[in-house]
Amino acid sequence: NAGVTQTPKFQVLKTGQSMTLQCAQDMNHNSMYWYRQDPGMGLRLIYYSASEGTTDKGEVPNGYNVSRLNKREFSLRLESAAPSQTSVYFCATRQGLNTEAFFGQGTRLTVV
Amino acid sequence: AQSVTQLGSHVSVSEGALVLLRCNYSSSVPPYLFWYVQYPNQGLQLLLKYTTGATLVKGINGFEAEFKKSETSFHLTKPSAHMSDAAEYFCAVSPGGSGANSKLTFGKGITLSVRP
Repeated sequence: NAGVTQTPKFQVLKTGQSMTLQCAQDMNHNSMYWYRQDPGMGLRLIYYSASEGTTDKGEVPNGYNVSRLNKREFSLRLESAAPSQTSVYFCATRQGLNTEAFFGQGTRLTVV
Repeated sequence: AQSVTQLGSHVSVSEGALVLLRCNYSSSVPPYLFWYVQYPNQGLQLLLKYTTGATLVKGINGFEAEFKKSETSFHLTKPSAHMSDAAEYFCAVSPGGSGANSKLTFGKGITLSVRP
């Protein structure tokens, strides 16, 4: 039982390159989230998906796109990476509004 | 729109001293409230949560928090700090009520240091 799995764990990109961060959960949860964590900024919500087939913008969606491929998978795409997108990215899932979120181990992305 | 304010970015206490980490929230509907802890180079794990019912909630590792609607607060406390409590702590809010969206908003976090 892996819980929430993020790939890759580390990535270095050049400015302008694209990449997709993958997140998969085996907890059968409805909601999935992408956050970025930067020093002194806490966790900021990029996008979330309340259920399969729906996605909504969070606080900082610019420069990102998401796909809720199925109930298990929620991917985050950077079409043209910028140094400002250097961050640690966390995927999270939860079943309902009053339930806890479970987090992946994070992806450390550096854009040079 | 909901938001979370965690005053101060760093708290330092002596081992055995009281830990108090403050969290204030803003929400147009009755919220669900959470405290998470993050140890270095790890993901986040739940300490405790308030949904409904008793306003004083107990969590893991001796932590507890009290929901005070009149003060829009959900402060985290522990009577006696241990060295292993050194970590970053995040307060989070999710809107409650019928028709609420599933957005989960975090504060900026507080780093807790524990002095021997």
